[in-house]
Amino acid sequence: SQQGEEDPQALSIQEGENATMNCSYKTSINNLQWYRQNSGRGLVHLILIRSNEREKHSGRLRVTLDTSKKSSSLLITASRAADTASYFCATGYSGGSNYKLTFGKGTLLTVNP
Amino acid sequence: GAVVSQHPSWVICKSGTSVKIECRSLDFQATTMFWYRQFPKQSLMLMATSNEGSKATYEQGVEKDKFLINHASLTLSTLTVTSAHPEDSSFYICSAKGLWADNQPQHFGDGTRLSIL
Repeated sequence: SQQGEEDPQALSIQEGENATMNCSYKTSINNLQWYRQNSGRGLVHLILIRSNEREKHSGRLRVTLDTSKKSSSLLITASRAADTASYFCATGYSGGSNYKLTFGKGTLLTVNP
Repeated sequence: GAVVSQHPSWVICKSGTSVKIECRSLDFQATTMFWYRQFPKQSLMLMATSNEGSKATYEQGVEKDKFLINHASLTLSTLTVTSAHPEDSSFYICSAKGLWADNQPQHFGDGTRLSIL
């Protein structure tokens, strides 16, 4: 079953603006990951944040994690047209059984030149 | 970085045909491989998890006899869609991870677009 729920489902911004996407989940996690997918392509890993971490940065990307609220956010600063893609959060959890990565519904980001 | 190769990238076949999709880890030992299915404009749904040398664990609602998964080596897993029908048309993506890598990124293949006529 789906674990994460992203919002918004779709986001359209102008080049240079910041884009913020949110993700909520329901159960325990070992980590939360963000991926990008260009239309019809595979997934590109962006950032992994562990359950004991609160914030992580990678270039123009900033991810926060609030385990008390079971939520995460992805901030893309100074967006570019090339950032246009679908963005998914995914929660990794083992919990005594096989580890699995469960994806949210995704946010379609459109960055207009 | 680690690379996962998925083949074929695109296949069109007639209804009733069985289709095999391969997923290979090129530079690491993939003790666990995952198979996902993605419908247009939707998210990835986990179909099954396979550990090398053992039977795959299927998610609820996924037919084991329909989607045969084999993970015979540490670098190769295959998904066979048996007697495929138009409703099986979808984008199938594999991913792989090594042992003790639960808190590491999973590596994904580029996906296989399956179209059943």
